[in-house]
Amino acid sequence: AQTVTQSQPEMSVQEAETVTLSCTYDTSESDYYLFWYKQPPSRQMILVIRQEAYKQQNATENRFSVNFQKAAKSFSLKISDSQLGDAAMYFCAYRSPGAGSYQLTFGKGTKLSVIP
Amino acid sequence: DAGVIQSPRHEVTEMGQEVTLRCKPISGHNSLFWYRQTMMRGLELLIYFNNNVPIDDSGMPEDRFSAKMPNASFSTLKIQPSEPRDSAVYFCASSPLQLARPGNEQFFGPGTRLTVL
Repeated sequence: AQTVTQSQPEMSVQEAETVTLSCTYDTSESDYYLFWYKQPPSRQMILVIRQEAYKQQNATENRFSVNFQKAAKSFSLKISDSQLGDAAMYFCAYRSPGAGSYQLTFGKGTKLSVIP
Repeated sequence: DAGVIQSPRHEVTEMGQEVTLRCKPISGHNSLFWYRQTMMRGLELLIYFNNNVPIDDSGMPEDRFSAKMPNASFSTLKIQPSEPRDSAVYFCASSPLQLARPGNEQFFGPGTRLTVL
């Protein structure tokens, strides 16, 4: 079974600075999908960014980018120019490939605080 | 689009009572998921429906938990009888799971915070 590990329970960053959240995973599959979800105090789970393992290029969405190291099974999230609204829990998630695949395996999350 | 709708947002009940959580998925989505979130265990998948049919209920913790999806626009998660250890946030999510696009995201509702006293 796949496992997802987020080794940083809490992180903080100064407003306008850059922060990197870590995620590692364990799998024997060669193709899969990785996601970062954001959960603000409102509890809503919001997809931040998605990476397909067969793509070597790192995904980018505005201020959010990932550093995907397939050999190391590492999938870190970088937030540039941090804003107060970025304060939230961030969850890394893994999903197997295949048309019938649906299971998302989540890490335990990293709580990000943004200091004004 | 209204997104995934869950009700109630908060539920406080006493041990032994029946609890019913409700979910309306996004129109056109054919996959629906129920998750439970706790501090100790994080986010766990309880059950997955595809085209209103339960496909995987291996995450349902006990027989006290049951889920139904009578039609494409409504699902319920029922706990009977409820216990204090059931206290958690329960999320419903839907997805336009398509054979050609297994990477489709799951869209989450706002969750129901359940407290069992």
